[in-house]
Amino acid sequence: EPEVTQTPSHQVTQMGQEVILRCVPISNHLYFYWYRQILGQKVEFLVSFYNNEISEKSEIFDDQFSVERPDGSNFTLKIRSTKLEDSAMYFCASSGDRGYTFGSGTRLTVV
Amino acid sequence: EDQVTQSPEALRLQEGESSSLNCSYTVSGLRGLFWYRQDPGKGPEFLFTLYSAGEEKEKERLKATLTKKESFLHITAPKPEDSATYLCAVQAPRNTDKLIFGTGTRLQVFP
Repeated sequence: EPEVTQTPSHQVTQMGQEVILRCVPISNHLYFYWYRQILGQKVEFLVSFYNNEISEKSEIFDDQFSVERPDGSNFTLKIRSTKLEDSAMYFCASSGDRGYTFGSGTRLTVV
Repeated sequence: EDQVTQSPEALRLQEGESSSLNCSYTVSGLRGLFWYRQDPGKGPEFLFTLYSAGEEKEKERLKATLTKKESFLHITAPKPEDSATYLCAVQAPRNTDKLIFGTGTRLQVFP
């Protein structure tokens, strides 16, 4: 069964530092996404990416966030200057003919 | 505004005690309704997609149904391994592929 792979599984960073979360989507999928889930809250959409550009972003996805597909397989989320409130699970997802599949997530802890 | 509401928030069942989880939605034109299972600290695991009222899908002890206003996830004779949070999400039309999630139903099945 094809799967979305995320690394690292857990990242601890100091407030103000930059972090990069990495994802390898399912190979024949064309749409890629980042979602986040703050502990105890619902899963929230951050951004969608298609054809090498952002197709939609939420209000949460402000100037401190960016996404990139640096090569044919990786998809990254960068947070430039982390804040305490960025602590959450971050999920990558991809969609195609076989549906909408999520990765197992990166738990980001900002201290 | 597009919205998804799940009930109950939590459900405790004895092994073998069948029940149903509810997902009600308000969305301007539904493209798809998704059910996911989420284990603690993990990403959403795809269960079903429903596209039109009257549609039903089954997988092992789970059956999902859809009307114009809500969806039900029926669990028949649950086992302890069915314990998880069950998430409902909708995909609205317009030029977007994002999913809008409910807060989930936390199911615990006791032996």
